Amino acid sequence: GENVEQHPSTLSVQEGDSAVIKCTYSDSASNYFPWYKQELGKRPQLIIDIRSNVGEKKDQRIAVTLNKTAKHFSLHITETQPEDSAVYFCAYAPGGFKTIFGAGTRLFVKA
Amino acid sequence: EPEVTQTPSHQVTQMGQEVILRCVPISNHLYFYWYRQILGQKVEFLVSFYNNEISEKSEIFDDQFSVERPDGSNFTLKIRSTKLEDSAMYFCASSVGQLGEKLFFGSGTQLSVL
Repeated sequence: GENVEQHPSTLSVQEGDSAVIKCTYSDSASNYFPWYKQELGKRPQLIIDIRSNVGEKKDQRIAVTLNKTAKHFSLHITETQPEDSAVYFCAYAPGGFKTIFGAGTRLFVKA
Repeated sequence: EPEVTQTPSHQVTQMGQEVILRCVPISNHLYFYWYRQILGQKVEFLVSFYNNEISEKSEIFDDQFSVERPDGSNFTLKIRSTKLEDSAMYFCASSVGQLGEKLFFGSGTQLSVL
């Protein structure tokens, strides 16, 4: 079925360290892989996305990598700051009009 | 920056009552969605809407749910007879393109069914 596994569920890092969140999806037809950040009590917001014809994409301190063969994609945040603390959701679009979200990773960045 | 707006921000209702959640998508967006999020859990797809009709729906979106675009700006979600398990944050979203790309979410309606 359509599912995406996300790990870890909770991640605690020291300010300035890197954070990595990993996801594995099931539908090989997927071509679009977004990441959303949700701060406490707020709406999810798109922070970066990648399409299947690209292996890596970077935007300042955030990067996403995609391995279509292994059906893995990952979010990398470098030089973490306290304002990076939030829940991060990986997601994918298995075709059609919907987006399937992972269970989320609660990131804590300690000052 | 344009935003998706949702009203009300909170809705409390009795079990069995009908509720209507309202959304105004971003004006040049063509695809509209409803998602829900039970407290502390993941965001779940309910339904997508394009060209004045439902384009896809999930198993959650049963006969008790309906969507409508009554005019050129509003997009509504109706739950006919609410159940306790309908309690959740309901997010409206819109996008320019299809395939669920680059979703812009509203701030949500917290629905509490008592």
